[in-house]
Amino acid sequence: KQEVTQIPAALSVPEGENLVLNCSFTDSAIYNLQWFRQDPGKGLTSLLLIQSSQREQTSGRLNASLDKSSGRSTLYIAASQPGDSATYLCAVTGDYKLSFGAGTTVTVRA
Amino acid sequence: DAGITQSPRYKITETGRQVTLMCHQTWSHSYMFWYRQDLGHGLRLIYYSAAADITDKGEVPDGYVVSRSKTENFPLTLESATRSQTSVYFCASSEPGRGGNTIYFGEGSWLTVV
Repeated sequence: KQEVTQIPAALSVPEGENLVLNCSFTDSAIYNLQWFRQDPGKGLTSLLLIQSSQREQTSGRLNASLDKSSGRSTLYIAASQPGDSATYLCAVTGDYKLSFGAGTTVTVRA
Repeated sequence: DAGITQSPRYKITETGRQVTLMCHQTWSHSYMFWYRQDLGHGLRLIYYSAAADITDKGEVPDGYVVSRSKTENFPLTLESATRSQTSVYFCASSEPGRGGNTIYFGEGSWLTVV
């Protein structure tokens, strides 16, 4: 059974600092990995999707890397802003089903 | 751009009652999913469907029933609600393709069983 772990569970940084969020998974036979953002009381919004054959994906200030062999992914958010405060979840896909980590709750202090 | 909608958004029900959560998507995606989100457990898959009339169990299916008579609808029924089913329920859909299968989530249904 796929196990997905996100460390740390919570993170608080001053505005402008770069954010580094970690995700690890136990079974490397994945189809892809996705990073999501969840705001309080809201659903999940997909941020980045990395195919299993890719090493990284970038969108604006966001960059996600994937090392399938070691079962790790990292989400980098450059120059954090208060609007980046949210919970970030990673999920790995096997057989069209996603297995989620518990998330990292980020607070960016103005 | 209607996307994926869930109803009701908030529901309080009594133990033993039957409850149905509705999910509707406008993209004609093949795959639909129901997840529940609980503190300490993250999101867990309840049921999923690969196409109309095809459903399968996820990680935590006990106490739930699903159906998919039409591609766009995927209702989730709690046959006899229990307090342990108090949770936030998310419906999602995706379409496998060359670009990968980005999954889209509804806004969630908050269910409280008293």
